[in-house]
Amino acid sequence: DAGITQSPRHKVTETGTPVTLRCHQTENHRYMYWYRQDPGHGLRLIHYSYGVKDTDKGEVSDGYSVSRSKTEDFLLTLESATSSQTSVYFCAISGGLVSYEQYFGPGTRLTVT
Amino acid sequence: DQQVKQNSPSLSVQEGRISILNCDYTNSMFDYFLWYKKYPAEGPTFLISISSIKDKNEDGRFTVFLNKSAKHLSLHIVPSQPGDSAVYFCAASRSGNTPLVFGKGTRLSVIA
Repeated sequence: DAGITQSPRHKVTETGTPVTLRCHQTENHRYMYWYRQDPGHGLRLIHYSYGVKDTDKGEVSDGYSVSRSKTEDFLLTLESATSSQTSVYFCAISGGLVSYEQYFGPGTRLTVT
Repeated sequence: DQQVKQNSPSLSVQEGRISILNCDYTNSMFDYFLWYKKYPAEGPTFLISISSIKDKNEDGRFTVFLNKSAKHLSLHIVPSQPGDSAVYFCAASRSGNTPLVFGKGTRLSVIA
């Protein structure tokens, strides 16, 4: 299994509060991604990173920001959480021998009340 | 507009039989196609992939077929086992190390 951890695994927060989710990898892969999974939508890309300090927006980036100051860590911040951001968030990495294969972390279930 | 479509939300198959999961795509720029399996409360697990220069890739009980002219791919599982019961996602990308575009998933139930 790829060495990807996510923290916290579960979080309940109130509308309007900031929230930061962490993804940590031990594979030294250059590329990291944040997706969210919602019923009826599959997985959708929020942001991704192609190197330290290099990030780009995905399909559903509004209300989210990211930072990557080290190869191993990719942080996702909800600046002011809303109920529409209640979801399961998955981090993924790529950059191994087969460049197009991505490997996912266990996910963070976030509930915004 | 959905670029990757899995038109069957669910599929039920008897143990030992073949499971066939289908996926269609609209973007002709996609070069790589992947299948993931997902159990509840876990992250998606990579299953098998295929690049657009091939039309078939096999790994044990799992085979993926790609028909580029029809923009269609399928995952065959033979023989199906109860442990294969999960949600299967089809995904596509334009090149290596780029974000994946996912279908909405198909829930496979393998009945003993």
